[in-house]
Amino acid sequence: QVHLLQSGADVKKPGASVKVSCKASGYTFTDNYVHWVRQAPGQGLEWLGWIDPKSGGTSYLQKLQGRVTLTRDTSISTTYMELTGLISDDTAVYYCARGHFRGFLDYWGQGALVTVSS
Amino acid sequence: EIVLTQSPGTLSLSPGERATLSCRASQSVSGNYLAWYQQQPGQTPRLLIYDASSRAPGIPDKFSGSGSGTDFTLTISRLEPEDFAVYYCQYHSSSPRTFGGGTKVEIK
Repeated sequence: QVHLLQSGADVKKPGASVKVSCKASGYTFTDNYVHWVRQAPGQGLEWLGWIDPKSGGTSYLQKLQGRVTLTRDTSISTTYMELTGLISDDTAVYYCARGHFRGFLDYWGQGALVTVSS
Repeated sequence: EIVLTQSPGTLSLSPGERATLSCRASQSVSGNYLAWYQQQPGQTPRLLIYDASSRAPGIPDKFSGSGSGTDFTLTISRLEPEDFAVYYCQYHSSSPRTFGGGTKVEIK
């Protein structure tokens, strides 16, 4: 069965960087894009971007361009989301999700809480 | 960029009632690439509907999606206790894959 296992919660200081991992299993890793979505406390869902594990191609939310980077390691079926220049507004649960070829998100990771605090 | 506006923000209903949730797009959604997700408190979002009206595997038929162009609807025919949650629509064609702001369905 499809499973996305994310790394654990993290606490960072303002200005620091964070890297969240997402390990896929139960399907062929290079067959599906992996998307990243975040949810600030008590708020809605915000799509951040996707990565094509086959090619490494990416697409990002414009307002985060330059601060967010998605990468992958096909040898261990894992994608990574790195966010730099952290501010308090980046405090959120970060989810990875598998993208169906028609673009919707059919399987989600359990989420990773990133807290930005001095 | 397509902006999705969901209404109402909160829907207060009793178990057994019918829920009708709206998602309006700022421009026409080509191919009806519109998905709906359910998020129960403290849980991960779950896919309910894709392509505006196709139910995801394992989703009961009390959930139905409809609409085209700029106006889409999610209907829950008879609310059960586990259906009280937050529902999000999402444009799932080209980037950015924006989400609506969500509708909370709460117990009246």
